[in-house]
Amino acid sequence: GAVVSQHPSWVICKSGTSVKIECRSLDFQATTMFWYRQFPKQSLMLMATSNEGSKATYEQGVEKDKFLINHASLTLSTLTVTSAHPEDSSFYICSASDLEPLHFGNGTRLTVT
Amino acid sequence: GDSVTQMEGPVTLSEEAFLTINCTYTATGYPSLFWYVQYPGEGLQLLLKATKADDKGSNKGFEATYRKETTSFHLEKGSVQVSDSAVYFCALSARNFGNEKLTFGTGTRLTIIP
Repeated sequence: GAVVSQHPSWVICKSGTSVKIECRSLDFQATTMFWYRQFPKQSLMLMATSNEGSKATYEQGVEKDKFLINHASLTLSTLTVTSAHPEDSSFYICSASDLEPLHFGNGTRLTVT
Repeated sequence: GDSVTQMEGPVTLSEEAFLTINCTYTATGYPSLFWYVQYPGEGLQLLLKATKADDKGSNKGFEATYRKETTSFHLEKGSVQVSDSAVYFCALSARNFGNEKLTFGTGTRLTIIP
């Protein structure tokens, strides 16, 4: 079946640095990918919709200059957390679809110290 | 806007007990409905889905029926196992074709005791 690979699975970085998270569709092409953020013991919050070859669409309240999304190919979207702060520590999950339903990556746990 | 209201947890059951996790939704049109499961430290996996009224999704002993009249999609399992311990998310997609974002409920943490 379709697989979405997310890398890294966990990362620890210092405050003020930037972190890049990759999301790849392994056996299908995804014109659209989604980035979610999950706070401890809470649901997934959609951050943005990543569109291949065009700008991402951000949800209300999500800082586009802080969470940079690039969808350069049909199999790869990246999320860069710029100038990370401890409050950015969270679990980030991407998803992609060829047909319904969405397939999810295994997530990236980001810890900013 | 679209929303999903899910039974709050945590839920703790003994092995072989009957499970119900309630889920109701609000949406315009005819959404598709899903249950996703998240095991510790992992991403989400699709458990089951239903795309139209009265459809029943089923997988691994879990079932849920799309009830348009009550706008519900309750998850049930007749006999739970320790391996079912996870967080369960009810979700909807506004349209019946791919590449649509999901709206999630808050998740229900299920713990099964041997």
